[in-house]
Amino acid sequence: NAGVTQTPKFQVLKTGQSMTLQCAQDMNHEYMSWYRQDPGMGLRLIHYSVGAGITDQGEVPNGYNVSRSTTEDFPLRLLSAAPSQTSVYFCASSYSDRNYGYTFGSGTRLTVV
Amino acid sequence: EDQVTQSPEALRLQEGESSSLNCSYTVSGLRGLFWYRQDPGKGPEFLFTLYSAGEEKEKERLKATLTKKESFLHITAPKPEDSATYLCAVQADDSSASKIIFGSGTRLSIRP
Repeated sequence: NAGVTQTPKFQVLKTGQSMTLQCAQDMNHEYMSWYRQDPGMGLRLIHYSVGAGITDQGEVPNGYNVSRSTTEDFPLRLLSAAPSQTSVYFCASSYSDRNYGYTFGSGTRLTVV
Repeated sequence: EDQVTQSPEALRLQEGESSSLNCSYTVSGLRGLFWYRQDPGKGPEFLFTLYSAGEEKEKERLKATLTKKESFLHITAPKPEDSATYLCAVQADDSSASKIIFGSGTRLSIRP
């Protein structure tokens, strides 16, 4: 089924560990974004991309890295996990620069202990 | 700074009791305003896009409207299956499609 696939669905990390959250879409969308969702704070933009090789920072980029080597994949790397990064992470994609509505993945629930 | 504020934070209605959710926004210029529905443990699901003041969109019991400063999501004769969190978001004129700003959402609960 066409859509946005995120892996893993759940992850527990120890403080200081690093990991990569995977995001892949098969709709040939140029525009992709990473958000985190915390209770009472809605979705906050971490990093985004307007095409392969082009990324930029969102509202809360500290502690995260991204790269976009292909149109399909947009991984999010946590460099040194901290308890403040405990959250639910969503990847989203759009086919047009005039956003007609994101397609979201099902999310990764990350706990840092 | 672009900003989206939603109210109320939570709303509990009886089945069949119509109401409205509010989304007020501050952007330099609006390229699009979006409504999403989110069920617990799932990613947001796209509902509507509105582009200019006066525009309206409808889907089943939901109708979204837009003015120059706010949007309303009207829910007519809701059913328990309409229970979810409703998110509002905006794309500013000077922002790419990847840079959408979200409000914190309204948790809607419909009692049978």
